[in-house]
Amino acid sequence: SSELTQDPAVSVALGQTVRITCLGDSLRTYNTHWHQQRPGQAPVLVIYNKNIRPSGIPDRFSGSSSGNTASLTITGAQAEDEADYYCTSRDSTGNHVLFGGGTKLTVL
Amino acid sequence: QVTLKESGPELVKPTETLTLTCTVSGFSLTTARMGVSWVRQPPGKALEWLAHIFSNDEKSYSPSLKSRLAISKDTSKSQVVLTMTDMDPVDTATYFCARMDVGVIDQWGQGTLVTVSS
Repeated sequence: SSELTQDPAVSVALGQTVRITCLGDSLRTYNTHWHQQRPGQAPVLVIYNKNIRPSGIPDRFSGSSSGNTASLTITGAQAEDEADYYCTSRDSTGNHVLFGGGTKLTVL
Repeated sequence: QVTLKESGPELVKPTETLTLTCTVSGFSLTTARMGVSWVRQPPGKALEWLAHIFSNDEKSYSPSLKSRLAISKDTSKSQVVLTMTDMDPVDTATYFCARMDVGVIDQWGQGTLVTVSS
């Protein structure tokens, strides 16, 4: 498969936990990475290789993966977490990068 | 500090060729397993990967755009250049370059908005 599928929008109450998911057959083989994009800004890597946080990313961000599904979890969502989140991985050939369609997270 | 900065025209006409340059600092384009990707984002839409080039000059292109794209690098100038031929209004987007470290896009440029219009 050459697609990564994300829910278009998700909402979470301030301080609560939210999970954003990404589905794709290639996720069974290749690692998933997650990027956060706030309005008008460039994306920022928040999770790579399924569950590793880059330096400077708060520990409320975590990742997991099982089968064809990868997840980004924010535990104790903050107002500044309101953004678009994109999963990315490889296609089935491994030669091309794929982005999911993005999930718009609203913090209520 | 790693930085990437895109440069190029803000406006191109339909059928013209777009040339974008990514100038990097804080890392070397010759470091093993390091590379640069180009990604675009039409207004209000999702990110779309276009192409990447690695330190060993290996290149890869989006299958849907491969016939229109060419990527190259000038290590002496720390620059990566993307050309896209036969531009169309649907190609209006913000174009980002991004560093790839061991296959992971980990740093992004600020992006440059390119509008295709006559």
